[in-house]
Amino acid sequence: DVKVTQSSRYLVKRTGEKVFLECVQDMDHENMFWYRQDPGLGLRLIYFSYDVKMKEKGDIPEGYSVSREKKERFSLILESASTNQTSMYLCASSFRGPIPNTGELFFGEGSRLTVL
Amino acid sequence: GNSVTQMEGPVTLSEEAFLTINCTYTATGYPSLFWYVQYPGEGLQLLLKATKADDKGSNKGFEATYRKETTSFHLEKGSVQVSDSAVYFCALSEPGYSSASKIIFGSGTRLSIRP
Repeated sequence: DVKVTQSSRYLVKRTGEKVFLECVQDMDHENMFWYRQDPGLGLRLIYFSYDVKMKEKGDIPEGYSVSREKKERFSLILESASTNQTSMYLCASSFRGPIPNTGELFFGEGSRLTVL
Repeated sequence: GNSVTQMEGPVTLSEEAFLTINCTYTATGYPSLFWYVQYPGEGLQLLLKATKADDKGSNKGFEATYRKETTSFHLEKGSVQVSDSAVYFCALSEPGYSSASKIIFGSGTRLSIRP
């Protein structure tokens, strides 16, 4: 089974702290994604990566950065956490299949971040 | 831009009731369409998908048909169970991109089934 593992299920941080959210997948997927999930807003794409060291901005990249040094690992970084970044963060991966994309996303269980 | 609109919840039904969750989309070209489900305390998982017009996706008793003429992909189930209680997300993959296409999600519909 595909497994996407997020390092922390729950985090509480203070405003201004640097926050690292880690995600590891074990299926050799090329594509990895970070979403945030907020009530009434669904999932919004923050960043994605289609190869090692490659990254693309999603719809809401402000206040975030990412790192993909190894194929299996995709990290989301909040340089200076703010209260409006309190949210559920979901990591996902997918195989780089044929075009057009009919690919399935495989999600981790999520990391719930609270910024005080 | 491309978007997905799905009916707002929460939706509460009795066990064995018929379920419809509406989903419409806006996209240029021909997207693939998906329904994802999120059970309590878990991440999302793919429920079903359809990749071209008139395709029907089905899984676990759920069905959805890709209707290009009405730009819709409504989710249906003939007889729901308590175990179907979850949040359901309609989604599309943007056409015309590389295989790292973005998947755009609707806002989600929370479904609760009463015993």
